[in-house]
Amino acid sequence: GAVVSQHPSRVICKSGTSVKIECRSLDFQATTMFWYRQFPKQSLMLMATSNEGSKATYEQGVEKDKFLINHASLTLSTLTVTSAHPEDSSFYICSAGGSGRNQPQHFGDGTRLSIL
Amino acid sequence: GNSVTQMEGPVTLSEEAFLTINCTYTATGYPSLFWYVQYPGEGLQLLLKATKADDKGSNKGFEATYRKETTSFHLEKGSVQVSDSAVYFCALSPTGANNLFFGTGTRLTVIP
Repeated sequence: GAVVSQHPSRVICKSGTSVKIECRSLDFQATTMFWYRQFPKQSLMLMATSNEGSKATYEQGVEKDKFLINHASLTLSTLTVTSAHPEDSSFYICSAGGSGRNQPQHFGDGTRLSIL
Repeated sequence: GNSVTQMEGPVTLSEEAFLTINCTYTATGYPSLFWYVQYPGEGLQLLLKATKADDKGSNKGFEATYRKETTSFHLEKGSVQVSDSAVYFCALSPTGANNLFFGTGTRLTVIP
């Protein structure tokens, strides 16, 4: 089946560091990828929709200058958490869907980000 | 608007017990409905889906039926195993869209 690879799986870094998370679709082309954030014991909240070759669409309340998204190719989207602070610590998950109406999303394994 | 309401957990069952996790939704049009499972430390995996009313999604012994009249998509399994311990998310994808709206998740623990 379709595979989405997310890297790194875990990051621990100091406050003020910028962290880049990669999301790759391994066996299909993804014109759209999604970035979610999951707080402990809570559901996934959509942060932004990443569109290949154009600007990402951010959900209300998500700072686009804080969470930079780049979707430079049909198989790669990156999320950069700029100048990360402890409140940015969370589990970040990307997903990608195939083409066509209502195709299911395939999720990466997530990145656990811990800011000290 | 679009939303998913999911049975709150945690749920603890003995092995071979019957499982039901309730899920209801609010949506315009005809959304697709999904159940995703998240094992400890991992991302989400699609468990099953249904794209139209009265469809039944099934996988690994789990089933859910798309009930438009009750706007529900309850997850069931006749006999759970310890390996089914995970968090289960109900989700919907609006008509013509690929993004997902998730329920809050239900943590299931199956004890031997």
